Amino acid sequence: DAGVTQSPTHLIKTRGQHVTLRCSPISGHKSVSWYQQVLGQGPQFIFQYYEKEERGRGNFPDRFSARQFPNYSSELNVNALLLGDSALYLCASSLRYTEAFFGQGTRLTVV
Amino acid sequence: EDQVTQSPEALRLQEGESSSLNCSYTVSGLRGLFWYRQDPGKGPEFLFTLYSAGEEKEKERLKATLTKKESFLHITAPKPEDSATYLCAVQAEYGGSQGNLIFGKGTKLSVKP
Repeated sequence: DAGVTQSPTHLIKTRGQHVTLRCSPISGHKSVSWYQQVLGQGPQFIFQYYEKEERGRGNFPDRFSARQFPNYSSELNVNALLLGDSALYLCASSLRYTEAFFGQGTRLTVV
Repeated sequence: EDQVTQSPEALRLQEGESSSLNCSYTVSGLRGLFWYRQDPGKGPEFLFTLYSAGEEKEKERLKATLTKKESFLHITAPKPEDSATYLCAVQAEYGGSQGNLIFGKGTKLSVKP
């Protein structure tokens, strides 16, 4: 069975640029969440989507946005990148209020 | 405010030396408590879900328990391959963080042969 897949696995961007990260959930899972993890910290919640609607938003600036498509895949967009946006971005899928399964993450480096 | 505190931050064990990791939490109604294992540079790997005080779950050398204020992850006779960061997360039933996972900073476990 395919797990949660994220692309790309690594990315290097320059300050001020825009980035799009992609996630395909486990088949049958309708909930997708995004988390940011900086070195030495636990993952921090960014967004949750369920049935293509935003169901939760963490404490992140408006430069961060996301959407979920009819096939339940999702994109996370970050505008006007800052050095502090460098992190491991994790996507998780779940049925809804059940255990979440994570992808391998996208390592974003902003230079 | 919903929050999770894990201790210790780091733990070094000899192979076969059993120990426990702690996860203390405050949350607006606990929907579930989750344990994950994370290897360097990888996404967290799901281990256990606990829903109510008194519940226990086991998997190989790991056993998770839950009380009303904390959870323990007991590691019995660990092996070097158990070395990883163990993350605890809670999901709130009410309030602004309802539905999402609130993580602790993790405990980095090193098991030496």
